[in-house]
Amino acid sequence: KAGVTQTPRYLIKTRGQQVTLSCSPISGHRSVSWYQQTPGQGLQFLFEYFSETQRNKGNFPGRFSGRQFSNSRSEMNVSTLELGDSALYLCASSLGGTGVYGYTFGSGTRLTVV
Amino acid sequence: DAKTTQPPSMDCAEGRAANLPCNHSTISGNEYVYWYRQIHSQGPQYIIHGLKNNETNEMASLIITEDRKSSTLILPHATLRDTAVYYCIATNTGNQFYFGTGTSLTVIP
Repeated sequence: KAGVTQTPRYLIKTRGQQVTLSCSPISGHRSVSWYQQTPGQGLQFLFEYFSETQRNKGNFPGRFSGRQFSNSRSEMNVSTLELGDSALYLCASSLGGTGVYGYTFGSGTRLTVV
Repeated sequence: DAKTTQPPSMDCAEGRAANLPCNHSTISGNEYVYWYRQIHSQGPQYIIHGLKNNETNEMASLIITEDRKSSTLILPHATLRDTAVYYCIATNTGNQFYFGTGTSLTVIP
C-alpha cells in the first residue's frame, strides 16, 4: 500500500512569508502528526490531528498551525517565517483511536528560509 | 512519556550483532517501548515495539528487562545499510513521541 506522502519535498521561502505543507496519510489511518527536525533541537512534536480535530499540541508558537480534512489529509501552515524555521518537517500517520499505535513517517519536506 | 537515555554513538562490525541499549527507569506500567531509526535526512522508520515481553520481527529483536527499566535492541547481523540514528521511545499515547537524541550507529566494513 502507498506510504505517507508529503509535498513538496523541498521549499525555499523568504523571511516573513508563509508556507503550507501537505501530508497524505496511509489509507485508513485517521491520525496525522507533524514533527519539526533541526540539527540543534532534534525531532520535536508539533501537533496531532484525529478525525479533523487537533488532539495534541506541542510547544510551538501560534505561527504554526494545521488542519485535517475529512479524507484525513493534513496541512500545516507556518506564517511570518523566521530563519529558525528552516528545518525538515515530518508528517506521520497512524490508525489513531484509543490504543497505542506506531507511526509511519513520510520522507519530509525540507524548508529553507532565507 | 518516560525519559529514555541512550549512548550517543556506537560502532559495530559488519555481520556482527549490534546491541543498542536504552534506559527507561521511570517507565510506567502502561508505557510501551518503541524503537525507530532514521537514516540520514529520511523520515524515521519503525523497527519494533513491546510492552513487557521480548519481541522479534524480521528486522530486529527487542529484549526488555523484567523490571522494565531498560531494554536492548538487537540487530542480529548488521549491514552497512543499518548505519543510522536509533531512537528508543517510551510512550502510552502512541501519537506524541519524545524522540530524544538517539544513538548514532555506525556499521564498519
